[in-house]
Amino acid sequence: NAGVMQNPRHLVRRRGQEARLRCSPMKGHSHVYWYRQLPEEGLKFMVYLQKENIIDESGMPKERFSAEFPKEGPSILRIQQVVRGDSAAYFCASSPLAESTDTQYFGPGTRLTVL
Amino acid sequence: EDQVTQSPEALRLQEGESSSLNCSYTVSGLRGLFWYRQDPGKGPEFLFTLYSAGEEKEKERLKATLTKKESFLHITAPKPEDSATYLCAVQGDFSGYSTLTFGKGTMLLVSP
Repeated sequence: NAGVMQNPRHLVRRRGQEARLRCSPMKGHSHVYWYRQLPEEGLKFMVYLQKENIIDESGMPKERFSAEFPKEGPSILRIQQVVRGDSAAYFCASSPLAESTDTQYFGPGTRLTVL
Repeated sequence: EDQVTQSPEALRLQEGESSSLNCSYTVSGLRGLFWYRQDPGKGPEFLFTLYSAGEEKEKERLKATLTKKESFLHITAPKPEDSATYLCAVQGDFSGYSTLTFGKGTMLLVSP
């Protein structure tokens, strides 16, 4: 049973370009969460999605960042016009149900470097 | 706002030298406390979930305990392969749908 898959594992972008990060949840999981880990900081929640719905985007910057989880295909975290401060590791997690204490299983992450 | 503080930030042990990692938390209504292990360049790996004060869970050399204010991760007779960063996270009543609030982690290094 494959775990959470993320690609690419490493992504290099120049300032002003767009970054697209993909996440395929574990089989049987319909809930996806995105977190960001900055150097020397803990994981910070960004957004929670179910298929075709954004449930909670309270941790996501209002500008340049967007996320989707279409009916078919992976979840996408999109960062437009990247800046150096966007350089970080972005992790996706999935869970089978959004019950109050459902365990979230994490993918290997995408390391974004903005030049 | 939920808060998680982990201590120490870093811990160096000799193989076989038992110790404990601390996770202090502030949350409005704890729904769950989670421990993860993270190796360099990898994603967090789930270890334990604790739901209520007094609960304990064990896995190999690791044992997690929970009180109303903190959780401990006890490591008994650690081995070099236990070297990793250990993350603590909480889920509270007001933290949003299933949102996890993480501490910064404790980096553990076990020397042979």
